Amino acid sequence: EAQVTQNPRYLITVTGKKLTVTCSQNMNHEYMSWYRQDPGLGLRQIYYSMNVEVTDKGDVPEGYKVSRKEKRNFPLILESPSPNQTSLYFCASSLKMGVVKTQYFGPGTRLLVL
Amino acid sequence: DAKTTQPPSMDCAEGRAANLPCNHSTISGNEYVYWYRQIHSQGPQYIIHGLKNNETNEMASLIITEDRKSSTLILPHATLRDTAVYYCIVSATMEYGNKLVFGAGTILRVKS
Repeated sequence: EAQVTQNPRYLITVTGKKLTVTCSQNMNHEYMSWYRQDPGLGLRQIYYSMNVEVTDKGDVPEGYKVSRKEKRNFPLILESPSPNQTSLYFCASSLKMGVVKTQYFGPGTRLLVL
Repeated sequence: DAKTTQPPSMDCAEGRAANLPCNHSTISGNEYVYWYRQIHSQGPQYIIHGLKNNETNEMASLIITEDRKSSTLILPHATLRDTAVYYCIVSATMEYGNKLVFGAGTILRVKS
């Protein structure tokens, strides 16, 4: 079954404690991205990757890092989480629909930083 | 800034057609119209997309006006499970994929 998986799905942590949210897709997609969703602000792109070893900043990259060492995985790293990174996070990979490619989203990771 | 305008909320009776409007008056010639929905904090789900012709798939129909400045998503027989936030997005497609800019969307409530 084609899917994007994220782990963990829920996470409570404290300020400054490094954490990684994993994202994996089994569809051999080249493009992957991370979004965060906050009330009143909608979904905003954090980082994206067009292929292995190619990553670029989205609209809200501050405080986050990513890596793309293999095509299937695109982890999101918070080196020193702060309370303003409390959010709902979604990973997505490219989805080919006819002549276009759009995005297929994972189930989300809810993060609370105390 | 989002390039689309949608009503904040709509109600629909179960079994009836839900017609969700979207204005995108500044759409460029190479931009597609995409519709996604999000059910209660789940990951956004792709519904349909179109360039200038009307489109239909197993989930919905998309009607785009001739001048492409607006469109309507039609759920032909809405069910309670269609209650969700619906996002209309305009975006140019690129070789690798597209960047999606989500606005506030329309909250669709399907009522029995």
